[in-house]
Amino acid sequence: DTGVSQNPRHKITKRGQNVTFRCDPISEHNRLYWYRQTLGQGPEFLTYFQNEAQLEKSRLLSDRFSAERPKGSFSTLEIQRTEQGDSAMYLCASSLGDRGYEQYFGPGTRLTVT
Amino acid sequence: AQTVTQSQPEMSVQEAETVTLSCTYDTSENNYYLFWYKQPPSRQMILVIRQEAYKQQNATENRFSVNFQKAAKSFSLKISDSQLGDTAMYFCAFIKANAGGTSYGKLTFGQGTILTVHP
Repeated sequence: DTGVSQNPRHKITKRGQNVTFRCDPISEHNRLYWYRQTLGQGPEFLTYFQNEAQLEKSRLLSDRFSAERPKGSFSTLEIQRTEQGDSAMYLCASSLGDRGYEQYFGPGTRLTVT
Repeated sequence: AQTVTQSQPEMSVQEAETVTLSCTYDTSENNYYLFWYKQPPSRQMILVIRQEAYKQQNATENRFSVNFQKAAKSFSLKISDSQLGDTAMYFCAFIKANAGGTSYGKLTFGQGTILTVHP
């Protein structure tokens, strides 16, 4: 097992375009989290899943953002009609069961909206 | 809601010396965990050390130790014998727990402290 993976690592898009990111958690981990990190700041929680169920969404997750985890394995985060303010690092983390205090992070996807 | 505050945007230290990074937090919860994460320039977040709020004993991991003051809501990280590889952004973070010590939800992070270790 190689840990949490995220693809793509970098994405440059034009304002108004849609983008989708993928996160593959550690294989036995049933909880998956998305965070957003702007330059020089700490990560901010966006949403998390237990298996395929989305249990919590931050108010940061506007209507243009949607996340799915259809089979309880990998997850996708889609941003529609991107804005320059969406430029950030999008981090994924996973954990096992009720061990939310052991979240393992992926390398992130760096989004640049031009 | 919980808040985590790191008041030192940047710190620097000479190799082999000791440095302390500060963190304060605010919560009404009685059960929680506190963490220090390291994010090197490659940007993958790595857990450095974890402290359970119900434990009075301060956590240690090799050269890393914490000073946990629950009443003061303070949680500082001491790095001894600093190494060049310690250069990174360090984040203090918080997560709620239930009485049994399990935890489910989101991490709340501070703003981070950039630590530079000079040769």
